Amino acid sequence: AQSVTQPDIHITVSEGASLELRCNYSYGATPYLFWYVQSPGQGLQLLLKYFSGDTLVQGIKGFEAEFKRSQSSFNLRKPSVHWSDAAEYFCAVGASGNNRKLIWGLGTSLAVNP
Amino acid sequence: KAGVTQTPRYLIKTRGQQVTLSCSPISGHRSVSWYQQTPGQGLQFLFEYFSETQRNKGNFPGRFSGRQFSNSRSEMNVSTLELGDSALYLCASSLQGSTSNEKLFFGSGTQLSVL
Repeated sequence: AQSVTQPDIHITVSEGASLELRCNYSYGATPYLFWYVQSPGQGLQLLLKYFSGDTLVQGIKGFEAEFKRSQSSFNLRKPSVHWSDAAEYFCAVGASGNNRKLIWGLGTSLAVNP
Repeated sequence: KAGVTQTPRYLIKTRGQQVTLSCSPISGHRSVSWYQQTPGQGLQFLFEYFSETQRNKGNFPGRFSGRQFSNSRSEMNVSTLELGDSALYLCASSLQGSTSNEKLFFGSGTQLSVL
């Protein structure tokens, strides 16, 4: 069965520091992989997605993620965090075909210290 | 272009009551999905509608139901509310929804509190 694990429930970084949020998945084939961000009181917004091809994916707001098949990981990175990046981050896995049931991680809450 | 609109923003109900939540997708989007978000369980898929037909369903009891209208607007209904139904209910729309590789556009959600 598909599953998504975000090992870090909560992370605090200082503004300007680099960031890496971890995501591990379990799936038999190459999945579709997503990172979404949820600001307080808001819905989710897509940061980036991976379907195939280049394993380093660039997203919005300066985020990038790298797909590592051997590690079943899709970690999100940002070289320099801004205070406005404080939010909840969700990793999601989708199957190929007509199954629309995205499987979501429980999220990582990011706090940014000034 | 207007985003996904969910109404109401907040709801307070008591156990045993029923509730209806509404979602208006982005214009031109035909797929609407519903999710329940709670701190302990994260996002859980409820169901997806496409062209007025339920195409996928999550593992929720029959108390949770939905429908989609010809203008793609969708409603979700929860009957006989339980305390555990307290959650943020999110609606997401997408163009076709035919595969799981499509970008989802989320509304801000309806925060339901069951007392």
